[in-house]
Amino acid sequence: QKEVEQDPGPLSVPEGAIVSLNCTYSNSAFQYFMWYRQYSRKGPELLMYTYSSGNKEDGRFTAQVDKSSKYISLFIRDSQPSDSATYLCAMGNAGGTSYGKLTFGQGTILTVHP
Amino acid sequence: SAVISQKPSRDICQRGTSLTIQCQVDSQVTMMFWYRQQPGQSLTLIATANQGSEATYESGFVIDKFPISRPNLTFSTLTVSNMSPEDSSIYLCSVAVPEAFFGQGTRLTVV
Repeated sequence: QKEVEQDPGPLSVPEGAIVSLNCTYSNSAFQYFMWYRQYSRKGPELLMYTYSSGNKEDGRFTAQVDKSSKYISLFIRDSQPSDSATYLCAMGNAGGTSYGKLTFGQGTILTVHP
Repeated sequence: SAVISQKPSRDICQRGTSLTIQCQVDSQVTMMFWYRQQPGQSLTLIATANQGSEATYESGFVIDKFPISRPNLTFSTLTVSNMSPEDSSIYLCSVAVPEAFFGQGTRLTVV
């Protein structure tokens, strides 16, 4: 079993839809959680970063963390064609020698149709 | 935030040769990280580069294959040695401040 499992697989939605991306993890030592967007032939771009359980909102993006269930989500409201990219969840342990090291989910390829 | 520049952005190399990738950060950071992203895959951590000490490698990665230098707090290099087609990947450097930022990556193709 992978430490981080990301779903869904490739996702295609119409413009304006609400998108839900999810990751589950098995390592209870993970303390911080991030979502990245990666356009083709580009490096990952940080979208959301959080330490705590609960919701964090930034514009059209909402990150949700449930540490008790080991589950994180990213919601995209009013999706746009420019949101078409690969979305990666990532998580890490802030302690000691693990500081800064991230474990990534497999990624979800999102396509938003005009 | 941090701005990270990587060179080269892409290269095509012959098998058996080596390529050195450079990573420059716009601020001083204690640790820099090197990741590999194989075609169609997610990111896997190769090693952590600390200034003034040997890099620490993750399971499955060894210094002879991926030697790393960290001469100061804003710069690091990763060398991919004795390349084979299986090394064709995107190589990315990252810093944690504490959230992690990435460079644009180096797209390596080994023929």
